[in-house]
Amino acid sequence: SYVLTQPPSVSVAPGQTARITCGGNNIGSKSVHWYQQKPGQAPVVVVYDDSDRPSGIPERFSGSNSGNTATLTISRVEAGDEADYYCQVWDSSSLVVFGGGTKLTVL
Amino acid sequence: QLQLQESGSGLVKPSQTLSLTCAVSGGSISSGGYSWSWIRQPPGKGLEWIGYIYHSGSTYYNPSLKSRVTISVDRSKNQFSLKLSSVTAADTAVYYCARVTAIQAFDIWGQGTMVTVSS
Repeated sequence: SYVLTQPPSVSVAPGQTARITCGGNNIGSKSVHWYQQKPGQAPVVVVYDDSDRPSGIPERFSGSNSGNTATLTISRVEAGDEADYYCQVWDSSSLVVFGGGTKLTVL
Repeated sequence: QLQLQESGSGLVKPSQTLSLTCAVSGGSISSGGYSWSWIRQPPGKGLEWIGYIYHSGSTYYNPSLKSRVTISVDRSKNQFSLKLSSVTAADTAVYYCARVTAIQAFDIWGQGTMVTVSS
């Protein structure tokens, strides 16, 4: 089965840049989607298809994907960005796969 | 604006069947070529995909749950449903329904409903 690996936690000071990674075998050949989940709320897609942003998502959120690592980058981090972030792909054997999630803490 | 709303029993006894429905409002479940999915999240844990039903009516399930899961759609009521049989405490979770895009992203989610498995 296909596995996506995320760091459990990332910490960043306000105004700095946060980078959350998602590792998987040859993930660069797949389409990666990223979700933000705040406590008690449903997830929200913040980046889809590696690097596209849904309407309403700030330009501070961006994504990249190459080789064995996809990355969600949040520029000029704000307190309101504190949340859990999940990556997700579709794989021909496992179908839908989510990463374990990364808790972003804004210091 | 399309909205999804889960409903169903919040408490299920072990070995029984969990049944949930997701009502789609603000648009037709049959339009746009979208698929529809269920995802769950045990307390304090990550997201687990359960399965989805394609716009064609075909169903695809998480291999780890496949033997216990059935997802169906009722287009006349603009809703789709989840049945999970032989539940145990490990099935206790918040259950979300979501719309699936052509590139397999979940772009619209319901608010989620908590289901507890307990006698």
